[in-house]
Amino acid sequence: DTAVSQTPKYLVTQMGNDKSIKCEQNLGHDTMYWYKQDSKKFLKIMFSYNNKELIINETVPNRFSPKSPDKAHLNLHINSLELGDSAVYFCASSQGSGQETQYFGPGTRLLVL
Amino acid sequence: KQEVTQIPAALSVPEGENLVLNCSFTDSAIYNLQWFRQDPGKGLTSLLLIQSSQREQTSGRLNASLDKSSGRSTLYIAASQPGDSATYLCAVRTGGSYIPTFGRGTSLIVHP
Repeated sequence: DTAVSQTPKYLVTQMGNDKSIKCEQNLGHDTMYWYKQDSKKFLKIMFSYNNKELIINETVPNRFSPKSPDKAHLNLHINSLELGDSAVYFCASSQGSGQETQYFGPGTRLLVL
Repeated sequence: KQEVTQIPAALSVPEGENLVLNCSFTDSAIYNLQWFRQDPGKGLTSLLLIQSSQREQTSGRLNASLDKSSGRSTLYIAASQPGDSATYLCAVRTGGSYIPTFGRGTSLIVHP
């Protein structure tokens, strides 16, 4: 009964490819997030959706496009992958969009060759 | 722009010691502050969440305090155990935008 799950756990791909990472939460939360953790372990928010609506969109290349088919899912699609996209991507969720505890998924380790 | 700093970056202690991890932030207009634990190769686990109106939160051997005016939070770990070994991250949500800003973490090793 995993609360926040991500697939795949590992992703190794070539430069220029397009890939997607999926995230699902079974907590009934309204808000979901995507974070990127770089090689120096610095964690930075990329996007946040509240009830399928985009509420945070930090400065990320437009090759990254989040999609929320329903409030339990937030997928991340990446076009034309670059070497610098290699990182660990974490999905998270919270009940609301500000005050509440965030719950994180296990991460997707992306390596672009 | 909010900046979050965690000191020390790394800490190695013998089992049984009481520890203090520090988190400082530049913009005191925060909404809340959250402490997380990250084990190697894993996601983040929430430890404590302190709202801006609160001074401290406790959970078991953990106690987190918040001093908004000085831009500081501390995480106190009592009677440390080898199982406490992990990276500890603090995240601050700034009022208005709700965007969380993370520190770079303190990597803790507790040896038997």
